[in-house]
Amino acid sequence: SQKIEQNSEALNIQEGKTATLTCNYTNYSPAYLQWYRQDPGRGPVFLLLIRENEKEKRKERLKVTFDTTLKQSLFHITASQPADSATYLCALDLLGSNYQLIWGAGTKLIIKP
Amino acid sequence: DAGVIQSPRHEVTEMGQEVTLRCKPISGHDYLFWYRQTMMRGLELLIYFNNNVPIDDSGMPEDRFSAKMPNASFSTLKIQPSEPRDSAVYFCASSYFLQGSRNYGYTFGSGTRLTVV
Repeated sequence: SQKIEQNSEALNIQEGKTATLTCNYTNYSPAYLQWYRQDPGRGPVFLLLIRENEKEKRKERLKVTFDTTLKQSLFHITASQPADSATYLCALDLLGSNYQLIWGAGTKLIIKP
Repeated sequence: DAGVIQSPRHEVTEMGQEVTLRCKPISGHDYLFWYRQTMMRGLELLIYFNNNVPIDDSGMPEDRFSAKMPNASFSTLKIQPSEPRDSAVYFCASSYFLQGSRNYGYTFGSGTRLTVV
């Protein structure tokens, strides 16, 4: 069956450390993978997009990797801050999907001061 | 740009009543999406439009749900009659796809929290 999985439990990280979130999928062949941040009571906010032929993408303190062999994406936040606390969602963008995204359930990240 | 604008932010209604949710996408975006989010099911795509034309409404739960996009700057999602199981947060999102290439993600509105009692 097709599925996309993110850490279901909250991830607690000490301020200043690197937070790493995982997105695993099975039986999909995404052309792109997107990461979003969602704060309580708000809509998801787009962070990064990585293509299937890209191994890594960076934006300021954020880094995303995409391994199509392992069917996994890792999302890293370096020098984490309490303001980074939020739920992070990954979404698969399938080639020929008519622009529909397949969403993970999200991982809640808590950065402790 | 003020982003994707949704109204109302909160809606409480009685079962059986009609509910209309509104969305103004970002100017220049050619795709508009309506999503529903619940704790149990996460984000679910209900329907999406390309250049104001509905492309895929297979996610609409049943005939009680309908959506329109009369022009590039306005869309509505209507539930008639509403039921308690429709209680959720409804998001509108828009995006722009450059000649079929993904260069941008989606921009979401702040959502409408619907409670049907």
